[in-house]
Amino acid sequence: AQKVTQAQTEISVVEKEDVTLDCVYETRDTTYYLFWYKQPPSGELVFLIRRNSFDEQNEISGRYSWNFQKSTSSFNFTITASQVVDSAVYFCALSSLGYQLTFGKGTKLSVIP
Amino acid sequence: GAGVSQTPSNKVTEKGKYVELRCDPISGHTALYWYRQSLGQGPEFLIYFQGTGAADDSGLPNDRFFAVRPEGSVSTLKIQRTERGDSAVYLCASSPAGTSGLETQYFGPGTRLLVL
Repeated sequence: AQKVTQAQTEISVVEKEDVTLDCVYETRDTTYYLFWYKQPPSGELVFLIRRNSFDEQNEISGRYSWNFQKSTSSFNFTITASQVVDSAVYFCALSSLGYQLTFGKGTKLSVIP
Repeated sequence: GAGVSQTPSNKVTEKGKYVELRCDPISGHTALYWYRQSLGQGPEFLIYFQGTGAADDSGLPNDRFFAVRPEGSVSTLKIQRTERGDSAVYLCASSPAGTSGLETQYFGPGTRLLVL
């Protein structure tokens, strides 16, 4: 069975602070994909990033960066210099069956001006 | 181009009634997925279509739930004899071909269903 754990239910930071959202996953498959989605108050899930299990390189996109470590089954997401517009619920998800996404329960990030 | 669209955006119904939720995927996407998101939870998989056929409906909670995609484009999720526990946001997603987990699923805005 697959499982995604996002231990942080809610996080509050002051604008311009850095924040890291944790994600730990479980799967017996050797080939799998990990995703992060953002869900702003409007409700629509917005795709942020996808990584496959064979690529452990960290990735940076603007103020966003992702740290994938197979040894600890973690795929953490860092926002640098947070902004109020980053306030949202962030979901980590796993796919190894070819289509079905297994989501964590999400982390609600509040960025205070 | 246009993203995934879902109608209605909100639906209020009474316990025991029948409801239909519609999803219009991104043009050209052959794979379509339905998920259900309860308050404070992540989305949970319901059903996956590859073209017109339901390739996997293992996430449907019971036989009151049914989904169709007759022409391989628009899909309708149907819920019979609704119960208060069916209240949730129903999300639809699509991807180009749906093979081997290689693709990103793009989500619509969801339909918020409230069963009174």
